Amino acid sequence: SYELTQPLSVSVALGQTATITCGGNNIGTKNVHWYQQKPGQAPVLVIYRDSNRPSGIPERISGSNSGNTATLTITRAQAGDEADYFCQVWDSSTVLFGGGTILTVL
Amino acid sequence: QVQLVQSGAEVKKPGASVKVSCKASGYSFTSYGISWVRQAPGQGLEWMGWISGYNGNTKYAQNLQGRVTMTTETFTSTAYMELRSLRSDDTAVYYCARSGWEPDWFDPWGQGTPVTVPS
Repeated sequence: SYELTQPLSVSVALGQTATITCGGNNIGTKNVHWYQQKPGQAPVLVIYRDSNRPSGIPERISGSNSGNTATLTITRAQAGDEADYFCQVWDSSTVLFGGGTILTVL
Repeated sequence: QVQLVQSGAEVKKPGASVKVSCKASGYSFTSYGISWVRQAPGQGLEWMGWISGYNGNTKYAQNLQGRVTMTTETFTSTAYMELRSLRSDDTAVYYCARSGWEPDWFDPWGQGTPVTVPS
């Protein structure tokens, strides 16, 4: 079965750029979506179809997808970006989520 | 604005059933689907299934087939998820989320409904 692999945690210095990856076999051929989840809150969609931002999501957050890796990039990281981030695909009549990455802003 | 409001927390005995509601507002209910996603304590997200707001067609996660039923009530713009034969490992927060004609991406999400099944 298809699997999505994310690093357990990523740390970034305040104001620097964070990169969170989502690995999967030929994931570049699929549409990848990303969610941000803060403690005690419901997830929020931050990127859909690889690189599109919903309204209200800042331009600092961007996505890309190619080959075997999809990437979520957060530039000028802020304390408010600390959260869990999940990637997701719709594949073969099922929805798959990555295991999630905890982003820590130092 | 688009909003999904879910029913309140539940505590159920093993073997019982739970039914969670999700009331939609701010958009045409029949133009979208609703997906259900659960999250066990300290764990990741698990998709449970999807239902069309247009015609009630469903797609369920394979591991929940036979235990889960999703329905809609279009005149109240409400979706329901019923899970039967509850076990302790069904303890989780259950979310509904708006989807498209397929469960492609989810936006927005409901606030979540905690369901506890004591062991």
